[in-house]
Amino acid sequence: QQPVQSPQAVILREGEDAVINCSSSKALYSVHWYRQKHGEAPVFLMILLKGGEQKGHDKISASFNEKKQQSSLYLTASQLSYSGTYFCGTDHDRGSTLGKLYFGRGTQLTVWP
Amino acid sequence: GAVVSQHPSWVICKSGTSVKIECRSLDFQATTMFWYRQFPKQSLMLMATSNEGSKATYEQGVEKDKFLINHASLTLSTLTVTSAHPEDSSFYICSAEAGTIFFGEQFFGPGTRLTVL
Repeated sequence: QQPVQSPQAVILREGEDAVINCSSSKALYSVHWYRQKHGEAPVFLMILLKGGEQKGHDKISASFNEKKQQSSLYLTASQLSYSGTYFCGTDHDRGSTLGKLYFGRGTQLTVWP
Repeated sequence: GAVVSQHPSWVICKSGTSVKIECRSLDFQATTMFWYRQFPKQSLMLMATSNEGSKATYEQGVEKDKFLINHASLTLSTLTVTSAHPEDSSFYICSAEAGTIFFGEQFFGPGTRLTVL
């Protein structure tokens, strides 16, 4: 049930944009995005609950295509602080799985000055 | 946001001993907590779902007798690694869901790094 993330790694210059994709072979109830810095716990970025929903704060946004069972995370005008590993977590059926999340393998994002 | 703590932050133990890791939600009640383990540069692997007052639900392939989970109150869940061996060395992270306040959002603890010699 682990979602597939792509790309595995991204290297950017400060100010450049990036897109991280997350796809699932199973129907999705919700998609959660987290960022993890080395040696630290994952930090919540956002949750998308409805197909077609798009969210964003600051210069990080995400979309959720329920029909295609995928979500994308958009980072625009990247900053040095954006560096880290990004994980998507998928919730397939809240009623039966009680909010369990299955995480992708992560996308390592490195932003250089 | 809500805060989740874990204790200890790191632990080194000898093979064959048991280690207990605590996960606490500090400013909210968590009816459901989750335990993950993470190997270096790999994803978070869900181990079990812990519900207050009931038995934990383990993911396929996770030994329930080895990884004992107790969710004694709405703010505390514990993971005990019994008879630990070097292959149990990993980063263990808990998360708690504050469903009525922040729907669906899981708050992660800072993690516990376990090293078994």
